[in-house]
Amino acid sequence: AQSVAQPEDQVNVAEGNPLTVKCTYSVSGNPYLFWYVQYPNRGLQFLLKYITGDNLVKGSYGFEAEFNKSQTSFHLKKPSALVSDSALYFCAVRDVGNDYKLSFGAGTTVTVRA
Amino acid sequence: KAGVTQTPRYLIKTRGQQVTLSCSPISGHRSVSWYQQTPGQGLQFLFEYFSETQRNKGNFPGRFSGRQFSNSRSEMNVSTLELGDSALYLCASSLVGQGVDEQFFGPGTRLTVL
Repeated sequence: AQSVAQPEDQVNVAEGNPLTVKCTYSVSGNPYLFWYVQYPNRGLQFLLKYITGDNLVKGSYGFEAEFNKSQTSFHLKKPSALVSDSALYFCAVRDVGNDYKLSFGAGTTVTVRA
Repeated sequence: KAGVTQTPRYLIKTRGQQVTLSCSPISGHRSVSWYQQTPGQGLQFLFEYFSETQRNKGNFPGRFSGRQFSNSRSEMNVSTLELGDSALYLCASSLVGQGVDEQFFGPGTRLTVL
């Protein structure tokens, strides 16, 4: 079985401060990991992915994420948050060992206050 | 390049009716996936189609069905609508799916069942 956990329903930060959105996963095989963002009344937009190689991946809009195999985590980070980063963030995992099924976490609402 | 388009954007139906939603993927993308998004259940995978064949299916009743045409366009059908089917239905396309390529999401169809 596979699962994705986003332990925080909400994250609140002040503009200019670092932003971290947490994600842990459980898969039977190797994971392909993704982060997506959803703005109000919009579909999801791809931010970044980890497939293999360097554990630190960089994506769109200044976001980056670190893959930690021992902790089975893939936390999303941004060094300096903007008010425009306020949105709903989803972590997703594709389980290579389970017919490549894709699962999404429950989502984390990020609010960046000015 | 045009993005993923979904029609209609909004639908209001009554219980017991059926509904068909349409999705046009990005040109060249052969994989189309469907998701149901609700505040309580989050983002849940419905099914994935590739080259007109259903490749994966989520845990939804048989009232939910879909198909893909030779031009990769996809339709999703829900029969005998229930109040709980009210949700945002998202379509996503990718080059081949089941692998390293990210998904591109449409804006969704907001279905309200009265």
